[in-house]
Amino acid sequence: GAVVSQHPSRVICKSGTSVKIECRSLDFQATTMFWYRQFPKQSLMLMATSNEGSKATYEQGVEKDKFLINHASLTLSTLTVTSAHPEDSSFYICSARPRDRANSGNTIYFGEGSWLTVV
Amino acid sequence: LAKTTQPISMDSYEGQEVNITCSHNNIATNDYITWYQQFPSQGPRFIIQGYKTKVTNEVASLFIPADRKSSTLSLPRVSLSDTAVYYCLVGASGGYNKLIFGAGTRLAVHP
Repeated sequence: GAVVSQHPSRVICKSGTSVKIECRSLDFQATTMFWYRQFPKQSLMLMATSNEGSKATYEQGVEKDKFLINHASLTLSTLTVTSAHPEDSSFYICSARPRDRANSGNTIYFGEGSWLTVV
Repeated sequence: LAKTTQPISMDSYEGQEVNITCSHNNIATNDYITWYQQFPSQGPRFIIQGYKTKVTNEVASLFIPADRKSSTLSLPRVSLSDTAVYYCLVGASGGYNKLIFGAGTRLAVHP
């Protein structure tokens, strides 16, 4: 199946600093990538949708200036948490929709997730 | 976006068949139904997807009635490793269409 890789899998940063999480589709091109965050024992919450070469669309309540999303190529999207605070500590998950839907159906594939801890 | 409703939790025993039903009364004509499995500290893993009737793959079956207002994920002969959260999602293919997660069903398989 299609593989989506996230890096880093775990990161600890100091309060006030910025941290970047990468999401790569390894064996397919992704026209659309999605970023979710998940708190312990809760469901995934969609943060934003990014399309290659255009600005991301953020869900209501998600600060676009705090969570910077870049989708510079068909295989890479990045999420940068700026001026991180302890309440930003969470599990961040990306997903990608293959460009070639004829062979992949209508499936969206998810990365392994990235744990962010802000101290 | 169609909202989904699933049981919060289910319990089963090894070797049994587990059926998890999801309600999606407002499903749109071009929406597909997709089920994902999630283990702790991992991203969701695709299980199965369907549009209507029945779909079967090597790990599960998906039953969708004619009105498509619900769907049932069937896991044959579960094992301890099937203990996870299962999410039912509905959404259209392509473009900007996004997948919104509901609460999911927490399945616990016991020895």
